[in-house]
Amino acid sequence: TQLLEQSPQFLSIQEGENLTVYCNSSSVFSSLQWYRQEPGEGPVLLVTVVTGGEVKKLKRLTFQFGDARKDSSLHITAAQTGDTGLYLCAGANVGGGSNYKLTFGKGTLLTVNP
Amino acid sequence: GAGVSQSPSNKVTEKGKDVELRCDPISGHTALYWYRQSLGQGLEFLIYFQGNSAPDKSGLPSDRFSAERTGGSVSTLTIQRTQQEDSAVYLCASSLEYFAGTGAEKLFFGSGTQLSVL
Repeated sequence: TQLLEQSPQFLSIQEGENLTVYCNSSSVFSSLQWYRQEPGEGPVLLVTVVTGGEVKKLKRLTFQFGDARKDSSLHITAAQTGDTGLYLCAGANVGGGSNYKLTFGKGTLLTVNP
Repeated sequence: GAGVSQSPSNKVTEKGKDVELRCDPISGHTALYWYRQSLGQGLEFLIYFQGNSAPDKSGLPSDRFSAERTGGSVSTLTIQRTQQEDSAVYLCASSLEYFAGTGAEKLFFGSGTQLSVL
């Protein structure tokens, strides 16, 4: 069974601060996705990383996929209150014909205070 | 429609009753997924449809759970003889495309059905 561990589980910061959240596994994934979920809503895809060592930037958000494709990080620069939400990472299985089945971490609940 | 639509948004039922949860995917999306999100837990895969067929039902927790999809569009997840441990948010997602070579599909999620079994 593939597992994804996210840390920290909870994070409360002030507006303007920087933060990093982590997603780790002992398993290799063919790709990894990051989602943000707000209360009462479904997750919304932020980014997909595919290549080991890949770095993607989305405005103030920087996503990195580990060289071995077992881990990923999300860094937010100068956090804003609108960044508040549950951040989920999800990995797609390598081969085996089941790569449609995403393995989700439990998420990092981020609160950005004004 | 513009997005994935799920109904009802909230469902309260008594233990032992049957419930039906509905998902209306984005028009043209051939793949449809059901996930379950329990408090403090990550999303748990339940079932995947490609068109009307379900090649993978491995995530269904027990034989009380079933799902169907008709016309390559609307899907219904049915839970028979509900138990308190079935209480969760049931999320539906649909997708159109694959990221070639990686298998990571771009999923669009609905807002979910919050199921509470008393």
